[in-house]
Amino acid sequence: DAGITQSPRHKVTETGTPVTLRCHQTENHRYMYWYRQDPGHGLRLIHYSYGVKDTDKGEVSDGYSVSRSKTEDFLLTLESATSSQTSVYFCAAQREGNYGYTFGSGTRLTVV
Amino acid sequence: DAKTTQPPSMDCAEGRAANLPCNHSTISGNEYVYWYRQIHSQGPQYIIHGLKNNETNEMASLIITEDRKSSTLILPHATLRDTAVYYCIVRTHTGANSKLTFGKGITLSVRP
Repeated sequence: DAGITQSPRHKVTETGTPVTLRCHQTENHRYMYWYRQDPGHGLRLIHYSYGVKDTDKGEVSDGYSVSRSKTEDFLLTLESATSSQTSVYFCAAQREGNYGYTFGSGTRLTVV
Repeated sequence: DAKTTQPPSMDCAEGRAANLPCNHSTISGNEYVYWYRQIHSQGPQYIIHGLKNNETNEMASLIITEDRKSSTLILPHATLRDTAVYYCIVRTHTGANSKLTFGKGITLSVRP
């Protein structure tokens, strides 16, 4: 278990404000991922990282940016939150090799 | 990555085996079959994965047909806590561009 901690667990923010979600892992796993989950769409990949300072876009990356300055932390930033970004956000991590992902408990974000 | 097809839902009685089918007829030789589940409002949980041999762990068994075009996840003694959405995913070996793509999954309801 990668010991994934997401913070905050819940957040309500206003349209147009910047928001940063944090994912912290304790197992030094190389790969990290951000997903969002919405009714009718399932889990969709936003961004992912394959090492410190190495990140790439997923299928729904518009309006989001990420940073990974340390192995253990993967930050997801909404530069200017919109109501369409109201969602549950999940972070995941995976170690090198053919292993499964470990997911965090999620952050429920509401943009009003 | 190859796509998978799962029935939308199924149920089984508590204490009985739950056999969850998955079709992946376009799977290629280097793609693994992964299973995850998501219990309501929690993060997805890795269950098991395999390439071509049957696999078993403490949670479940994975049976892959010889032609690898379909597989079955078996929960040998389902409990009420196994009620969840189960995702079958095919994925190449890990690497910078290897990511999990979630479909709609199958909703398993375990009845008392």
